[in-house]
Amino acid sequence: DAKTTQPNSMESNEEEPVHLPCNHSTISGTDYIHWYRQLPSQGPEYVIHGLTSNVNNRMASLAIAEDRKSSTLILHRATLRDAAVYYCILRDGETSGSRLTFGEGTQLTVNP
Amino acid sequence: DAGITQSPRYKITETGRQVTLMCHQTWSHSYMFWYRQDLGHGLRLIYYSAAADITDKGEVPDGYVVSRSKTENFPLTLESATRSQTSVYFCASSEPRTGFSNQPQHFGDGTRLSIL
Repeated sequence: DAKTTQPNSMESNEEEPVHLPCNHSTISGTDYIHWYRQLPSQGPEYVIHGLTSNVNNRMASLAIAEDRKSSTLILHRATLRDAAVYYCILRDGETSGSRLTFGEGTQLTVNP
Repeated sequence: DAGITQSPRYKITETGRQVTLMCHQTWSHSYMFWYRQDLGHGLRLIYYSAAADITDKGEVPDGYVVSRSKTENFPLTLESATRSQTSVYFCASSEPRTGFSNQPQHFGDGTRLSIL
């Protein structure tokens, strides 16, 4: 499986934008880029995913580099509730129900 | 409420005992998964199931048994619990992919299992 590299931790201030980077230099053409987050004492929660184009939803935006070797999850206005571990995961789009392979993720701290 | 429910939320047991963790989903999702989460290892896949009566091993299946007689239930059994199986266990479900799009996995809140 292609691997991802994320910073171990990041900090942000409340109501400011947050850019969480992810490197995936060995991504294949059929790999989707998924982001999940895990709040304390909860299961992981789906955030967003994309293939080539930038994506927006109510939770976040995903910016994908033109060569697809990196991506950035953007939280437009961080809240205290956004403090979580964020996982960037590559998922094979050709395999039905393909598993998620979690790395260590980025621990996001949001300061009031 | 619709969703995915795990039970029990907390369990303490002794080595050698059999333990079954329950997972129930109300979406009729085809796929279901069991993960364990340990410090320093992130989440690791134990077993998964593509449909009722179809199961397959994940990354760390040793010491675990699963069954799926009904679409909505996917119990995980530790036949003879060991201390190394102390962990947080998460169940998840998803639809199979449609065309080229990936369906997200939906996770339960986990079962915290301690084996003494």
